[in-house]
Amino acid sequence: ETGVTQTPRHLVMGMTNKKSLKCEQHLGHNAMYWYKQSAKKPLELMFVYSLEERVENNSVPSRFSPECPNSSHLFLHLHTLQPEDSALYLCASSQERGLGEAFFGQGTRLTVV
Amino acid sequence: ILNVEQSPQSLHVQEGDSTNFTCSFPSSNFYALHWYRWETAKSPEALFVMTLNGDEKKKGRISATLNTKEGYSYLYIKGSQPEDSATYLCAFNDYKLSFGAGTTVTVRA
Repeated sequence: ETGVTQTPRHLVMGMTNKKSLKCEQHLGHNAMYWYKQSAKKPLELMFVYSLEERVENNSVPSRFSPECPNSSHLFLHLHTLQPEDSALYLCASSQERGLGEAFFGQGTRLTVV
Repeated sequence: ILNVEQSPQSLHVQEGDSTNFTCSFPSSNFYALHWYRWETAKSPEALFVMTLNGDEKKKGRISATLNTKEGYSYLYIKGSQPEDSATYLCAFNDYKLSFGAGTTVTVRA
């Protein structure tokens, strides 16, 4: 148990659906991150939030829309995804952006059909 | 996109044997180098955060060294046990973590 909780753990969605991934941490961290892991690829950073402000967006398509309503919660809203978006999506947090170790959730396994 | 390379991609170790593997990263603008262990169906968990050239860190049977001038870090596992089976990730920290693809270690009993 790392203190970072992601829901749902598994998600199957059609290309026309809209769904959201949720991440929650009560570690008192100020930075939160979304990562994507596709098969046989390294973890790819998607978004970084620091003190609820988005500070990095790594050229992610607009069909992925992050939201950080407070420092404990992070969402990833999904709409009109493609089958190639099927992957494991990991949320992480750290004390400050770039400071200290990252604590990861267990991830959401997303399948787009 | 920073180039963080890990080798080998995978390795099999007999229980009781020791092993090591490598992470290479850009040697300029170094801030920190992280190691994580990722067991199947679990979250990646931090092993070490290393910041100084020549750093050596140890946690139980696992240790790591860091050479920032030449841009590499080694992770060592002494006397491997089945519970050491996992994917070991390194990440270069320049205010965001850029991960290598990992080394998957399988320890055979």
